[in-house]
Amino acid sequence: DGGITQSPKYLFRKEGQNVTLSCEQNLNHDAMYWYRQDPGQGLRLIYYSQIVNDFQKGDIAEGYSVSREKKESFPLTVTSAQKNPTAFYLCASTLDANTGELFFGEGSRLTVL
Amino acid sequence: ILNVEQSPQSLHVQEGDSTNFTCSFPSSNFYALHWYRWETAKSPEALFVMTLNGDEKKKGRISATLNTKEGYSYLYIKGSQPEDSATYLCAFMNSGNTPLVFGKGTRLSVIA
Repeated sequence: DGGITQSPKYLFRKEGQNVTLSCEQNLNHDAMYWYRQDPGQGLRLIYYSQIVNDFQKGDIAEGYSVSREKKESFPLTVTSAQKNPTAFYLCASTLDANTGELFFGEGSRLTVL
Repeated sequence: ILNVEQSPQSLHVQEGDSTNFTCSFPSSNFYALHWYRWETAKSPEALFVMTLNGDEKKKGRISATLNTKEGYSYLYIKGSQPEDSATYLCAFMNSGNTPLVFGKGTRLSVIA
């Protein structure tokens, strides 16, 4: 079935460690996005990519990094520089960044101990 | 950062009641308005993508209207059912090729 797969669903990390969240899609979508959700907040954009080998910072990019080496994959690295990394992370993609609806993965919950 | 407001933050309704909630966005520049439904333990799913002032869209018992001149969209649910319980998100785009900005959502609980 076509869709977006995020892994892992749950992740625990010690302070000072980097961690990478995986996002893979087989929908042949050009654009991919990473959002973060915190209690009482809306989805906030971390990074997005509209085409392979290109990406842009979102509203809260500090402490995060991404790569887009393949169309299907858009991994997010949460670095030790991210001050409050404990959150729920959602990946999304769309065929057309101008008009298309977003398709979301099921999310990854990161807890920093 | 664009401001997208949703109200109310949460509401509880009885099964069979009809309900509606609001999404407000800047009226100065408008490109598109999206509505998503996010059920617990699932992924958000698109309900509507609206691009024209005066747009009205319907999917079953759920419908939405759009007023770009005054900067708001309403989502209506007719005859609420327990399976309608979810968080409803709206997202705004003020120009093409820019990412969506999401509101905080309205959490709906339908009591049987």
